[in-house]
Amino acid sequence: IAGITQAPTSQILAAGRRMTLRCTQDMRHNAMYWYRQDLGLGLRLIHYSNTAGTTGKGEVPDGYSVSRANTDDFPLTLASAVPSQTSVYFCASSHLPGLGGNEQFFGPGTRLTVL
Amino acid sequence: GQNIDQPTEMTATEGAIVQINCTYQTSGFNGLFWYQQHAGEAPTFLSYNVLDGLEEKGRFSSFLSRSKGYSYLLLKELQMKDSASYLCAVTDSNYQLIWGAGTKLIIKP
Repeated sequence: IAGITQAPTSQILAAGRRMTLRCTQDMRHNAMYWYRQDLGLGLRLIHYSNTAGTTGKGEVPDGYSVSRANTDDFPLTLASAVPSQTSVYFCASSHLPGLGGNEQFFGPGTRLTVL
Repeated sequence: GQNIDQPTEMTATEGAIVQINCTYQTSGFNGLFWYQQHAGEAPTFLSYNVLDGLEEKGRFSSFLSRSKGYSYLLLKELQMKDSASYLCAVTDSNYQLIWGAGTKLIIKP
């Protein structure tokens, strides 16, 4: 692995189903993030984790949960998908915020459609 | 509330210069980023400004005025591959990135 990967690339999901989006980074970054990107809106932070074992809520956390069992992996779970969760989801990672320019590196994204 | 404003869309000609503006109102300021995002792809880092002034990196330059809550990204010698969305993002007092909606730049031959 080089950088940050996400799976699946795309998914069509029936409303009410449970879905986990996977994210893995090999850059040993402490911080990881999940965003959603919708047409006409900026990237919106769903959840973040500043270090393994800790997570925090972003701007739009409702309907989503995350875990950070180790440094590399940061899965995002939709417990019961709804059509408004149709979006492109990006995972990102960075060095700890506050240490200079904490440039975020992004995965390729997951395009999720909830019907 | 926190707000990042940038134009929705701009058009420029190949070989020309274009300036994309960004104004922000955030709770605290710990730096401003510019990212480039081609259609269907992930955002990629272009520049970071934390002090006032101009940062130059090849054909791209980024300017910051903290007192005015203002930044711009300057692209010179435009190439067709520069057609993309350009995202402005500000690090707030909690070191979270607040993102603008992005400026779609269309380059015409």
